[in-house]
Amino acid sequence: QVQLVESGGGVVQPGRSLRLSCAASGFTFSSYGIHWVRQAPGKGLEWVSFTSDDGKKTIYADSVKGRFTISRHNSNNTLYVQMNSLRPEDTAVYYCAKDTIRELPGTSFDYWGQGTLVSVSS
Amino acid sequence: EIVLTQSPATLSLSPGDRATLSCRASLSVRNLLAWYQQKSGQAPRLLIFEATNRATGIPARFSGSWSGTDFTLTISRLEPEDFAVYYCQQGRHWPPTFGQGTRLDIK
Repeated sequence: QVQLVESGGGVVQPGRSLRLSCAASGFTFSSYGIHWVRQAPGKGLEWVSFTSDDGKKTIYADSVKGRFTISRHNSNNTLYVQMNSLRPEDTAVYYCAKDTIRELPGTSFDYWGQGTLVSVSS
Repeated sequence: EIVLTQSPATLSLSPGDRATLSCRASLSVRNLLAWYQQKSGQAPRLLIFEATNRATGIPARFSGSWSGTDFTLTISRLEPEDFAVYYCQQGRHWPPTFGQGTRLDIK
């Protein structure tokens, strides 16, 4: 069965960095775009970033552009996001999510990880 | 970016009732709209994609419809496990955006 498992969250001071990982299994990882979506405590869902199946295309929300870098290693079925210059407003649960339809990236996400909490605080 | 406005913010109903949740897009997104269910402490679960298609394993009591920029999620007869928060999401225009959510409470 499809599984996405995030790791790497924690408490970090403003201005510092953190790298999250998402380990995928149960599907052909190299055939699908993958996204990061976050949810601040008690708030709604916010799309953060996308990488295409081959990793050559990446897109970012304006709120993280220039600070976050998404990447993937298809050889070991893992997605990453490097988060630099973290701000208190980046505090959220971060989910990785898989595209439902490989030909229509971003139109819906059929599998999600359980999420990893990032807390940015001094 | 596309703004999705969900209504109502909160819906209080009883098991066995019919639930109708709405999502309006600020611009046409064609049929590229999805619905998700999220329970407390859990990840979102895809219910409907491309406005009307049920995702794998989703019961038939969940259905989606649309007209223009107005989208509807209908739950025909509420089960106790259906009380949760529901989000719509558009994928026609980048960036993908979500509505603010509708909380479905037990009356």
